[in-house]
Amino acid sequence: EVQLVESGGGFVQPGGSLRLSCAASKFSFSNYEMNWVRQAPGKGLEWVSYIGGGGGAIFYADSVKGRFTISRDNAKNSLYLQMSSLRADDTAVYYCAGTYSAGFDYWGQGTLVTVSS
Amino acid sequence: SYVLTQPPSVSVAPGQTARITCGGNNIGSKSVHWYQQRPGQAPVLVICDDSDRPSGIPERFSGSNSGNTATLTISRVEAGDEADYYCQVWDSTGDHPWVFGGGTKLTVL
Repeated sequence: EVQLVESGGGFVQPGGSLRLSCAASKFSFSNYEMNWVRQAPGKGLEWVSYIGGGGGAIFYADSVKGRFTISRDNAKNSLYLQMSSLRADDTAVYYCAGTYSAGFDYWGQGTLVTVSS
Repeated sequence: SYVLTQPPSVSVAPGQTARITCGGNNIGSKSVHWYQQRPGQAPVLVICDDSDRPSGIPERFSGSNSGNTATLTISRVEAGDEADYYCQVWDSTGDHPWVFGGGTKLTVL
């Protein structure tokens, strides 16, 4: 069974940094476009960032552009999100999600990021 | 950027049919995907490319897309269908390729 497992979430003060990881197993990771999606407490889904299978195409939501950096290591079947200059409104559960052909076929269980003083 | 509009809530009795809409400018020209999210769980893809069901999704789930509205239809609704549902499209015109609707809470009465 395909697995995506996020890690790296936690509590951080405003202005701080955090690096999220997403470990993939049991599927051809390099063939998948990958995304980070977040969900603030009690709110809907918000797409955060996208990276193509080879890492060449990258996009960000306006809300995180210039502060977050997405990357992947296909040799390690891993996806990353480097988050800096964190703000209270970045508090959310962060999911990694993969696309093979249409939609987000696979999702991790999410990791909680809390930004607070 | 592209905007998708969903009703905040839909209620339906067990055994009846639920229809959840997703509005967007000329959304009929895009491929729409639908996700189910039960409380405390990650989203699950239930419909892709307007009307295709991924493996394991019951036939009770169907989708359509035309004009300015896409619709997720759940037939013979069960208590277990109670969840939040989100529509999604890929918008190739801007720098924000993936767009989610605001979500619809389906309540089974």
